[in-house]
Amino acid sequence: GNSVTQMEGPVTLSEEAFLTINCTYTATGYPSLFWYVQYPGEGLQLLLKATKADDKGSNKGFEATYRKETTSFHLEKGSVQVSDSAVYFCALPAGGTSYGKLTFGQGTILTVHP
Amino acid sequence: ETGVTQSPTHLIKTRGQQVTLRCSSQSGHNTVSWYQQALGQGPQFIFQYYREEENGRGNFPPRFSGLQFPNYSSELNVNALELDDSALYLCASSFRDRGYGYTFGSGTRLTVV
Repeated sequence: GNSVTQMEGPVTLSEEAFLTINCTYTATGYPSLFWYVQYPGEGLQLLLKATKADDKGSNKGFEATYRKETTSFHLEKGSVQVSDSAVYFCALPAGGTSYGKLTFGQGTILTVHP
Repeated sequence: ETGVTQSPTHLIKTRGQQVTLRCSSQSGHNTVSWYQQALGQGPQFIFQYYREEENGRGNFPPRFSGLQFPNYSSELNVNALELDDSALYLCASSFRDRGYGYTFGSGTRLTVV
C-alpha cells in the first residue's frame, strides 16, 4: 500500500520565520495528497490538498506542491504566526482495496514563539 | 452545514470494561471512518462503514467493532479494554462518490486505568 514519510520534529521558529515541513510519499499511481493540522486538544482539520501531479494546494498562507518527480509534498509558509503552533500531518489514501483509508505521517510539532 | 460531532469528549474506563463512542456524520455524508491516535502518533485507521456495512478494516482486533445507522451516524465499540487502548478516537465522514473529502470530528479522549 501507499505510505508517507514526514519530517520529524519538533520544529521551533520565531514569528515571521519561513516554515518548511518535508513530506515524501510512496504510492501506486497519483493519489490525492493532504496536509492536516491538529491544534492542541482538538481533532484534525484539513489544511490543504492536491489532487494531481503539479497541483499546488494552498490555504491560510500555507502551500504545498504535488511533485511526482521527487515524490514530495512539502508544506511551506512564508511567515509563521504564533497561532500556527500545532501538529501537522501529511496524508494520502492507503491505496489498493483499502478504500477510504488514509495513511498519515507521524506528525510534526510546530511551535512558534513571539 | 453541520460538521462531524463526537461524544463524549472525554471518558475514563477501567481495564476489562466495554466502551461505546458515538459519531454524527456531516450532513450529506454517507461514509464514516474511525481512527485511533495514540499520544504523539499519527492516526491509525480502525475501520470504515458505508451503507451500514463494514467496508475496510485496519490492523485492529475483533474486540473493536462498529455500527453505522440509517442516518449515517456511527458507533465504535471496544470490548475488554486494555491500557494500550488509551488514545484519542477520531471519526471522519465523507461522501464516497465524491472522492476523499474527509471531515474529522474533534475526537473522544479515552483513558483506560
